[in-house]
Amino acid sequence: SQTIHQWPATLVQPVGSPLSLECTVEGTSNPNLYWYRQAAGRGLQLLFYSVGIGQISSEVPQNLSASRPQDRQFILSSKKLLLSDSGFYLCAWSGKSSYEQYFGPGTRLTVT
Amino acid sequence: QKEVEQNSGPLSVPEGAIASLNCTYSDRGSQSFFWYRQYSGKSPELIMFIYSNGDKEDGRFTAQLNKASQYVSLLIRDSQPSDSATYLCAASTDSWGKLQFGAGTQVVVTP
Repeated sequence: SQTIHQWPATLVQPVGSPLSLECTVEGTSNPNLYWYRQAAGRGLQLLFYSVGIGQISSEVPQNLSASRPQDRQFILSSKKLLLSDSGFYLCAWSGKSSYEQYFGPGTRLTVT
Repeated sequence: QKEVEQNSGPLSVPEGAIASLNCTYSDRGSQSFFWYRQYSGKSPELIMFIYSNGDKEDGRFTAQLNKASQYVSLLIRDSQPSDSATYLCAASTDSWGKLQFGAGTQVVVTP
């Protein structure tokens, strides 16, 4: 069966510091991968999605970036965090032939 | 702007009753629809998906889709306190697998 991992689970970072969040998927190959952010009490905002290694599409222009160095690894990064980057970051995967997305456990980021 | 709209709630439901959640979408090109359950502080969990007009049942859950009216609904029968959560509706937006999510409806099942 497929599993999706995210780490760290929680993170407290000062404004201006860098960020690296990692997501890995097991039990499937060539998945579509997605990064979402959920601000407190809000819906899911799609940040990036990837259909293959090195293929990244950005949905929202901001100070975040994403990379997919391996088939089942998706990384979210920032060079300098803003207060507005605080939120619950979720990674999700889907197969190529269906639209069902499955989420990882998430990373709760607080920027202070 | 493609949108998915849900009532934010909270929807208060007595234990054992039916919870009825509604969702409308703006993109007539959407073909696939999903319901996720999200407990407080946790990530969303896929509970139902529906692609064709009509009803789809899975255990205590029934999803209903009406593409002509552009709405999707979720019925939860015999509601239990463990069903208390926020339910997110999502619709596919393109062939790349992207989904548009609603803001969610909070359901509170009272004993």
